[in-house]
Amino acid sequence: AQSVTQLDSHVSVSEGTPVLLRCNYSSSYSPSLFWYVQHPNKGLQLLLKYTSAATLVKGINGFEAEFKKSETSFHLTKPSAHMSDAAEYFCVVRILGGNEKLTFGTGTRLTIIP
Amino acid sequence: DGGITQSPKYLFRKEGQNVTLSCEQNLNHDAMYWYRQDPGQGLRLIYYSQIVNDFQKGDIAEGYSVSREKKESFPLTVTSAQKNPTAFYLCASLGVTDTQYFGPGTRLTVL
Repeated sequence: AQSVTQLDSHVSVSEGTPVLLRCNYSSSYSPSLFWYVQHPNKGLQLLLKYTSAATLVKGINGFEAEFKKSETSFHLTKPSAHMSDAAEYFCVVRILGGNEKLTFGTGTRLTIIP
Repeated sequence: DGGITQSPKYLFRKEGQNVTLSCEQNLNHDAMYWYRQDPGQGLRLIYYSQIVNDFQKGDIAEGYSVSREKKESFPLTVTSAQKNPTAFYLCASLGVTDTQYFGPGTRLTVL
């Protein structure tokens, strides 16, 4: 069975400071991992994904994430937060070669302090 | 331009009514999905369809029904058997690059 745990339900950072959103996963097989962002009352937008290629993945809007198999982690980072980054972020896992079902984390709400 | 559309954006239902949420995609994707989102719970899979005329129950299918008569369309019906239907509903489709693309969502409220 696969699962994903987002370690913080809410993160607050000041504008211009680094962002770290933490995600740990559990999977018996090689996983695909994704980060999605959701602004209020909107659909989800893909930020980045890992699919067994490079372990450091760069995404849109300056975000990146590093796949660490030994730590079963896929934390999302950004060097400098912008006010427009305020949103809900979801870590998602999918088993490669599986039935295409995704398992979502419960989300982390990111607040940016001016 | 290509994408996923959901309608309506807001929907109000009276107790005992069935309502249907629309999801259309022009991305030529085979697989489509319906999710329910509640505050603090992430997304939960209701139904999915990997090909026309075939669909599978997800984790919370009770009280919902779907059809997949056309590749482009995957409507979701919330029946009166769904006891707590108030939620945000998201439709998605799966691209060849192993990525799900999401529509803008429908917010359903039971009056």
